[in-house]
Amino acid sequence: GNSVTQMEGPVTLSEEAFLTINCTYTATGYPSLFWYVQYPGEGLQLLLKATKADDKGSNKGFEATYRKETTSFHLEKGSVQVSDSAVYFCALKLGQEYGNKLVFGAGTILRVKS
Amino acid sequence: GAGVSQSPSNKVTEKGKDVELRCDPISGHTALYWYRQSLGQGLEFLIYFQGNSAPDKSGLPSDRFSAERTGGSVSTLTIQRTQQEDSAVYLCASSLMGSFGRGSETQYFGPGTRLLVL
Repeated sequence: GNSVTQMEGPVTLSEEAFLTINCTYTATGYPSLFWYVQYPGEGLQLLLKATKADDKGSNKGFEATYRKETTSFHLEKGSVQVSDSAVYFCALKLGQEYGNKLVFGAGTILRVKS
Repeated sequence: GAGVSQSPSNKVTEKGKDVELRCDPISGHTALYWYRQSLGQGLEFLIYFQGNSAPDKSGLPSDRFSAERTGGSVSTLTIQRTQQEDSAVYLCASSLMGSFGRGSETQYFGPGTRLLVL
């Protein structure tokens, strides 16, 4: 089946620390991979995506590289800010023949202290 | 509209009552999705519309759940005879339809409807 596994949180970091949130996946076919973010009291927002192997998605200082050989899509940021505190969801999406739906990981809570 | 909108934003109901949740997708988006976010289950897919038809209803948890979409736009998710385990945030998303077989189309989410069944 199709599934996404994320590192468990909460992850607590000091401001300007380096962030890694691990994400691995199992999928039939060739998925697109996404990171969504949910800030406190807000809805899900797309953070970045990658549609094929070796693609790198980036946005707001966050990056993730689609690694087919390790079936991973780890999220990284070089220097986190307090405003990055949120829940981060890794997700995969297969094509129309698999229903086009997103399959999400459980989410990782990030807390950044000043 | 500028983004996906959902109504109501919050709904409190009594066990056994029916509820209707509404989703207005981004103008021009032909695909529409319903998901549920709950503490115990995380984010779960419920149903997917392509135009007005629903090729994938596999995520609907029981026959108390149904959804329809009219005019290729607004969608309504109906829960009949609500139970306490239905309490969750119901999220709607929409996307453009891309080429067959590729899953690259980004889904944009609404703010959700928080449902509480007492």
